[in-house]
Amino acid sequence: EIVLRQSPATLSLSPGERASLSCRASQSVSNYLNWYQQKPGQAPRLLIYDASNRATGIPARFSGSGSGTDFTLTISSLEPEDFAVYYCQQRTHWLTFGGGTKVEIK
Amino acid sequence: QVQLQESGPGLVKPSQTLSLTCTVSGGPISSGNYYWSWIRQPAGKGLEWIGRIYTGGSTNYYPSLKSRVTISVDTSKNQFSLKLTSVTAADTAVYYCAREAQYVWNSWGLDSWGQGILVTVSS
Repeated sequence: EIVLRQSPATLSLSPGERASLSCRASQSVSNYLNWYQQKPGQAPRLLIYDASNRATGIPARFSGSGSGTDFTLTISSLEPEDFAVYYCQQRTHWLTFGGGTKVEIK
Repeated sequence: QVQLQESGPGLVKPSQTLSLTCTVSGGPISSGNYYWSWIRQPAGKGLEWIGRIYTGGSTNYYPSLKSRVTISVDTSKNQFSLKLTSVTAADTAVYYCAREAQYVWNSWGLDSWGQGILVTVSS
């Protein structure tokens, strides 16, 4: 089983600030790493697929990078609607998700 | 625009079988290059993938749940279903159905989700 570890667990930032979220895999997942956003009471929404490609309709302030075992999701300037929980997910060996990073308002 | 909707009992007794259905609208479930997945989320916790069925009918299950899970499809009703046997309190969660779509060759993502259904295991 490939384990994904996300850090930090919680990120406290203000609107307009830059957010950097980390996802580390227990073994290489190549670039088969996706990112999702989940707001309270809602289903997750796909943001980034294959490490660096924005899904349909996702704003350009969201970007992803990395390959192998280390990945980063960056939100260049936080908007009020971006405060949520973010999950990474790998698809190299079945599907597994990271534990999530909560981006909260400081 | 595809839409997914989960349905089924919200309360299941321990040791019984949890049965959920996902109804897909906006296109035939049997066409296209898609995987149809079940994912769950215990309250306040992260996401756990349960398994999936491919458009062609093949299935994959998460190893730790494989002995208790069956996912099937009913193309006549445009639905796919989840059965989880011998449930315990640890199976209490919000259950989501989702579509995994191919964006470009060999690029896949869970791009459409149902709203989720809370299933509680309790006597």
